[in-house]
Amino acid sequence: SAVISQKPSRDICQRGTSLTIQCQVDSQVTMMFWYRQQPGQSLTLIATANQGSEATYESGFVIDKFPISRPNLTFSTLTVSNMSPEDSSIYLCSVSHAGSSTDTQYFGPGTRLTVL
Amino acid sequence: GENVEQHPSTLSVQEGDSAVIKCTYSDSASNYFPWYKQELGKRPQLIIDIRSNVGEKKDQRIAVTLNKTAKHFSLHITETQPEDSAVYFCAASRETSGSRLTFGEGTQLTVNP
Repeated sequence: SAVISQKPSRDICQRGTSLTIQCQVDSQVTMMFWYRQQPGQSLTLIATANQGSEATYESGFVIDKFPISRPNLTFSTLTVSNMSPEDSSIYLCSVSHAGSSTDTQYFGPGTRLTVL
Repeated sequence: GENVEQHPSTLSVQEGDSAVIKCTYSDSASNYFPWYKQELGKRPQLIIDIRSNVGEKKDQRIAVTLNKTAKHFSLHITETQPEDSAVYFCAASRETSGSRLTFGEGTQLTVNP
């Protein structure tokens, strides 16, 4: 499986500020996703990061709040904008190769965000 | 959209016993069902998955069964060990969704020595 890294691993931020999280993969992957995991909760898909085009957002998530970039097949960023304490969560990227037999998804280590 | 329900939310067993976690899904077009294990402070790790063209899959002490008609699938762990203690998540997706996963709410499994 691909080796996935995220930066930063954790951060404490003030409300009203923004934080950009990076996800780097050691090999080219077809699909990259961003998830949010609130404390003690399950994983919720924020968006699919599309290479060279705008991300596809899930219901309840908007580009102004969570802008996403994916300039190539190994890298993506998620920005959490104008943060509030409710944004305190773990943010995880995941990767897969689309296709009927190779769409297994693997997760990065996550970024633990605390908003004061 | 897809909805995945997972039961139980907590499960406590004695070492050596078996553990079973069940999930139901709503979208009959879903065809891929992975299970992830998440230890405290760690990333979710894929432990086993099953596709809709098979009814059962085993990997050592872990097995997953799928009933497409009833739209439910289950994780079975035999001969449980304390290191099996973790949160387990089921998920579902379909090819046409571009591999987008919908997760269940998770099961906290505790294996008591």
